[in-house]
Amino acid sequence: AQSVTQLGSHVSVSEGALVLLRCNYSSSVPPYLFWYVQYPNQGLQLLLKYTTGATLVKGINGFEAEFKKSETSFHLTKPSAHMSDAAEYFCAVSRASGGYNKLIFGAGTRLAVHP
Amino acid sequence: ETGVTQSPTHLIKTRGQQVTLRCSSQSGHNTVSWYQQALGQGPQFIFQYYREEENGRGNFPPRFSGLQFPNYSSELNVNALELDDSALYLCASSWGRGDSPLHFGNGTRLTVT
Repeated sequence: AQSVTQLGSHVSVSEGALVLLRCNYSSSVPPYLFWYVQYPNQGLQLLLKYTTGATLVKGINGFEAEFKKSETSFHLTKPSAHMSDAAEYFCAVSRASGGYNKLIFGAGTRLAVHP
Repeated sequence: ETGVTQSPTHLIKTRGQQVTLRCSSQSGHNTVSWYQQALGQGPQFIFQYYREEENGRGNFPPRFSGLQFPNYSSELNVNALELDDSALYLCASSWGRGDSPLHFGNGTRLTVT
């Protein structure tokens, strides 16, 4: 079985500060891991994904995440927050099995960026 | 390239009624997945359709059903609506049944009163 835990339902940072959103996963098979962002009244946009290979993954909008198998973590970071980064962020795990691909999402972290 | 489009954007229904939500997949995609996102929660997988057949289902009752058409567009039908069905319903398209990335639409906000 697979599951995702996002630590902190709300995170607030100052503009220009480091963004760190935490995600831990549980998976009985090597996981595929994703971060999605959701702006108000919109669907989900893929930020980045980890499947295999390099454990440090770079995504769009300056975000990156590192897969740490020993810690079962996939934390999302951005060196310098912008006001436009304010949104809801979801970590998700999947591994196609039984012939279909299902994403299991965490509960989300709402990021607020203040001047 | 046309993205995933969903209709309607908002819908209000009464408990016990039936509803149909529609989704047009991104061009070149042949797989459609549906997710339910309740307020303040992450999306929950409802089911996936591949080449017009359901090939995976989450923990949702049979009153949630779907269709996929030859052009790969899809419908989600919910019968006997309950108050707890109020949520944002997201459609996502992808290529194949494997781990290709999901491309999401903006969702349909369903309110059941």
